[in-house]
Amino acid sequence: AQTIHQWPVAEIKAVGSPLSLGCTIKGKSSPNLYWYWQATGGTLQQLFYSITVGQVESVVQLNLSASRPKDDQFILSTEKLLLSHSGFYLCAWSLPWGDAETLYFGSGTRLTVL
Amino acid sequence: GDSVTQTEGPVTLSEGTSLTVNCSYETKQYPTLFWYVQYPGEGPQLLFKVPKANEKGSNRGFEATYNKEATSFHLQKASVQESDSAVYYCALGDTGYQNFYFGKGTSLTVIP
Repeated sequence: AQTIHQWPVAEIKAVGSPLSLGCTIKGKSSPNLYWYWQATGGTLQQLFYSITVGQVESVVQLNLSASRPKDDQFILSTEKLLLSHSGFYLCAWSLPWGDAETLYFGSGTRLTVL
Repeated sequence: GDSVTQTEGPVTLSEGTSLTVNCSYETKQYPTLFWYVQYPGEGPQLLFKVPKANEKGSNRGFEATYNKEATSFHLQKASVQESDSAVYYCALGDTGYQNFYFGKGTSLTVIP
C-alpha cells in the first residue's frame, strides 16, 4: 500500500527565517508529486508539480521553491519567510500521466509565521 | 483558463435533511471531475470521481452527475448525518493530470 508522510506536522517560524518542508511517498514508483498551499479557511492552491526526479514545474511561486532530489521525495523551501506564507501545506501524489489521475494528499504541515 | 465555482459556505443543516452543493466548471478540455472531503487538521480525501460525461459517481450516500452540457457536477445527499460535517471541494483534473483545479470549498456543519 502507498503511504505519504509529511514533515514536520507543524512549524512556528519567524519572519525572515528559512524553511524546509518535506514529503516522502512509499510504495509507488515514479509518482507525479505536488505541493499545495491552503490559507486558513481558503481553497487549495497548487504551487508546484514534478513528474520526475530533478524536474519541478512552478504553478504559483509565492517566493517558495521546490525540489525533487529522489524519486520518492519532494521538498518545499524558502530562504526568507514572509507573514503571507502562513497556512497549511499539503503534499500530494498521483499516478503518472495517462493512468488513474486521482490526487492523494498527505496530512499536511501547519505553518505559522510570526 | 480552467476554473471551478461552487456553493459558498458555510452551510448548516439539521440531521436528516438533504444537501446540495452546486459546482460548475470551465475548461476547454475533457476533464475528470472530483469531489474531495476535508476534515479539520487533515488533508483532503477523495470522495469520488467521474471521468466521463453523463456518468454518475457516488460514495457514502453522496452522489453527483457529470453534466457536460450544463458544465455542472452538483453534490447531493438525501439525508445528512453529523459525521458529514466537513469541507467539500469540487475539482477538475485536466487531460495532462499535472494541473488540478479546486473550488473554494463549502463548509458543511450538520446539527444533531
